[in-house]
Amino acid sequence: QLQLQESGPGLVKPSETLSLTCTVSGGAINSYYWGWIRQPPGKGLEWIASIYYDGSPYYNPSLKSRVAMSVDRSKNQFSLKVNSVTAADTAVYYCARDQGTTGRGGGLDIWGQGTMVTVSS
Amino acid sequence: DIQMTQSPSTLSASVGDRVTITCRASQSIGGWLAWFQQRAGTAPKVLIYKASNLESGVPSRFSGSGSGKEFTLTISSLQPDDFATYYCQQYNSYPWTFGQGTNVDIK
Repeated sequence: QLQLQESGPGLVKPSETLSLTCTVSGGAINSYYWGWIRQPPGKGLEWIASIYYDGSPYYNPSLKSRVAMSVDRSKNQFSLKVNSVTAADTAVYYCARDQGTTGRGGGLDIWGQGTMVTVSS
Repeated sequence: DIQMTQSPSTLSASVGDRVTITCRASQSIGGWLAWFQQRAGTAPKVLIYKASNLESGVPSRFSGSGSGKEFTLTISSLQPDDFATYYCQQYNSYPWTFGQGTNVDIK
């Protein structure tokens, strides 16, 4: 059973860099896309980025200048960095397997439980 | 970006009711649409993918239909576990985008 678990600091200061890691267990990171989605308190879902296990990332244009996503196959992990954060980046951050239109075309089919990140001094 | 618009935003219903939620895309997305259920404090859970395919383990009272720009999620007989927020999401083209959500609460 594939499982995803987010990890990272729960509190980040304004103007600093938010760094999160998603650890994939119960299966290999190879052969799939992987993504990040966030949800500000009381609001809806926003897709941030997706990356193939050995390919180029796709970023949401609304965040593209501040975001970087990477994969570490040796650790079965993928990561997200958001720089120059503000209070608007306060959200629950989810990692997910992103099948998109490949394979069975299942889209964002497996999610982590999410991790709350607060941007505050 | 493709805009996804759900209606209604809030829906009050009773156990046993048939419930329908609509999702409209600003341009055609073929059948590349998913529906998610999110209970308070938990991660979204996929119910339907490719517009009408039921995810494994999801009760058969959930169904999805549509193609192109208009899609529906139907719950045939609402159960107590179904009171939650529902989101549609297109994955036809990046950036993936979500509807604003439909909150299904108890009448």
